[in-house]
Amino acid sequence: QVKLQQSGPGLVKSSQTLSLTCAISGDTVSSNSAAWNWIRQSPSRGLEWLGRTYYRSKWFSDAGVSVKGRIIVNADISKNQFSLQLNSVTPEDTAVYYCASYHYDSWGRGTPVTVSS
Amino acid sequence: QAVVTQEPSLTVSPGGSVTLTCASSTGAVTSGHYPYWFQQKPGQAPRALIYETSKKHSYTPARFSGSLLGDKAALTLSGAQPEDEADYYCLLTQSGGRVFGGGTRLTVL
Repeated sequence: QVKLQQSGPGLVKSSQTLSLTCAISGDTVSSNSAAWNWIRQSPSRGLEWLGRTYYRSKWFSDAGVSVKGRIIVNADISKNQFSLQLNSVTPEDTAVYYCASYHYDSWGRGTPVTVSS
Repeated sequence: QAVVTQEPSLTVSPGGSVTLTCASSTGAVTSGHYPYWFQQKPGQAPRALIYETSKKHSYTPARFSGSLLGDKAALTLSGAQPEDEADYYCLLTQSGGRVFGGGTRLTVL
């Protein structure tokens, strides 16, 4: 069974970079049959799919329209984890951030992130 | 960005059946949108019940099923239980990424 352990700060200042990490146990980040997602949820914006990374002989990543140009999703093979970087944050980026597996059957516990102005 | 629309709320009687739907502003939902259905209870992360239109995870109760119904994706609950009261979300793959619907609050009453 895949388990995901999230880590990262819960408070970020406006215009700075939000960085979160999701450590994987029970699977390998570079598996050719896996993909690793970031999702967020807020009362005002609901659930938003942010992006993902996956390995198919080489690394790929996708980004959601709402954050395209500000997001980087990377994998760290040595630590078996993947990460989210969201640049130039504003208070609109305040949300609970989740990492999730390919078919969303495993989730991290969620990290509440507040962006202070 | 495409908009994904769900019924805001539905009510079902214990033991009854209900169908939740998921529509796309870009047109008919097809298997190429790889529809997912999620259940979320208060204080918990969402969890996927259905992926790729109709596939079930090992933990998905048999009373839940996914399909395409007309031009929408559908989640059918047959034999509702009190523990099925929750918010349900669909997720569609659209050009430019993946988009969640606004969710359906299902009441079992």
